Amino acid sequence: LAKITQPISMDSYEGQEVNITCSHNNIATNDYITWYQQFPSQGPRFIIQGYKTKVTNEVASLFIPADRKSSTLSLPRVSLSDTAVYYCLVPNQAGTALIFGKGTTLSVSS
Amino acid sequence: GAGVSQSPSNKVTEKGKDVELRCDPISGHTALYWYRQSLGQGLEFLIYFQGNSAPDKSGLPSDRFSAERTGGSVSTLTIQRTQQEDSAVYLCASSLAPSIGGRGENEKLFFGSGTQLSVL
Repeated sequence: LAKITQPISMDSYEGQEVNITCSHNNIATNDYITWYQQFPSQGPRFIIQGYKTKVTNEVASLFIPADRKSSTLSLPRVSLSDTAVYYCLVPNQAGTALIFGKGTTLSVSS
Repeated sequence: GAGVSQSPSNKVTEKGKDVELRCDPISGHTALYWYRQSLGQGLEFLIYFQGNSAPDKSGLPSDRFSAERTGGSVSTLTIQRTQQEDSAVYLCASSLAPSIGGRGENEKLFFGSGTQLSVL
């Protein structure tokens, strides 16, 4: 059973790059790793997903080392509006649903 | 509708009462999920529906919790004999296909804004 561990909180300033690392030991061979963002009083929304090495989209980058036991979400040049909770997700043991980590609360200050 | 709709947005009930929470998924989405988010906690998976297949109920915390999905669309989560520890935000999500495709790439989940349940 994959256990997900990520930092509870992080602080940053506008314009900085933020890296949030998630540990997910024992994920299955073919499982993808997904990250979601959640603002207060809203449901989470998809940011990025990947399987290995590096994935980049218009919002973020995701780095996954060869052993795939962790992943790092990278947010370039954060702004105040990036203040949110960021969740790392992997499939459950049965492979039927995505399991959320506890989430990392990112606070961006000016 | 344009997105996942949940109702009511807020529900206050007394301990011991039954409650029903409703979810309207995005049209055409075959997969539907219920999650629970307690104050300051992450999201806890409850139940998953995919088409006409038997639902995955492995996340339901007790037999007081049940859910159904009629006609492959609207879903209702029912909590019987509510307890104070049931107080949480109940989130529904839908996706075009199962969130996990043969343990490969995951479909995007689209979440509603949730129902805030308060049990007094």
